[in-house]
Amino acid sequence: AQKVTQAQTEISVVEKEDVTLDCVYETRDTTYYLFWYKQPPSGELVFLIRRNSFDEQNEISGRYSWNFQKSTSSFNFTITASQVVDSAVYFCALSEAFIDAGNKLTFGGGTRVLVKP
Amino acid sequence: ETGVTQSPTHLIKTRGQQVTLRCSSQSGHNTVSWYQQALGQGPQFIFQYYREEENGRGNFPPRFSGLQFPNYSSELNVNALELDDSALYLCASSSPNIGGGGELFFGEGSRLTVL
Repeated sequence: AQKVTQAQTEISVVEKEDVTLDCVYETRDTTYYLFWYKQPPSGELVFLIRRNSFDEQNEISGRYSWNFQKSTSSFNFTITASQVVDSAVYFCALSEAFIDAGNKLTFGGGTRVLVKP
Repeated sequence: ETGVTQSPTHLIKTRGQQVTLRCSSQSGHNTVSWYQQALGQGPQFIFQYYREEENGRGNFPPRFSGLQFPNYSSELNVNALELDDSALYLCASSSPNIGGGGELFFGEGSRLTVL
């Protein structure tokens, strides 16, 4: 069975500070995908980033960056120079990668980020 | 490009009643999945529909059922409502992705309250 754990329930920062969100996952699969989604107060989940299990290269996309470490089953996410508009709940998610998996995601419990001006 | 739309946005039901939630997928997407998100928790996968057939189901009882129509829109039906069914129900659409890992496009959800 798959499991995603986000130990931080809420993080509060002042604008322009960096924010790092932790994510630890469990899966028996050797091939899988990891995601980060953002949920603003309006409710819809917005896709941010995706990484497959074969690619441990860490990247930066604008103010977002991620640190994927397969050895520790962690997929941490950083927002650099946070802005008030970054205030939302952030979810880490895991997807299997086999023919019938489709788009079934296993989500963590979420981390609420509050960015104060 | 039209995004994912869900209706109704809010509704209140009583225990034992039945509810139908509706979802119009994003243009060009033929796969629809439904998630239940209880307050303060992460979404949980209910089931997915591809080409009008259920293609994967999470740990939900049979009183949760669904349909997908030829235009790829979808319905989620819940019978014999229980208090614990109170949640935000999210619909997501995507392009066909046999191997997983596809980006999901979510609607804003239908918030169900069961009294």
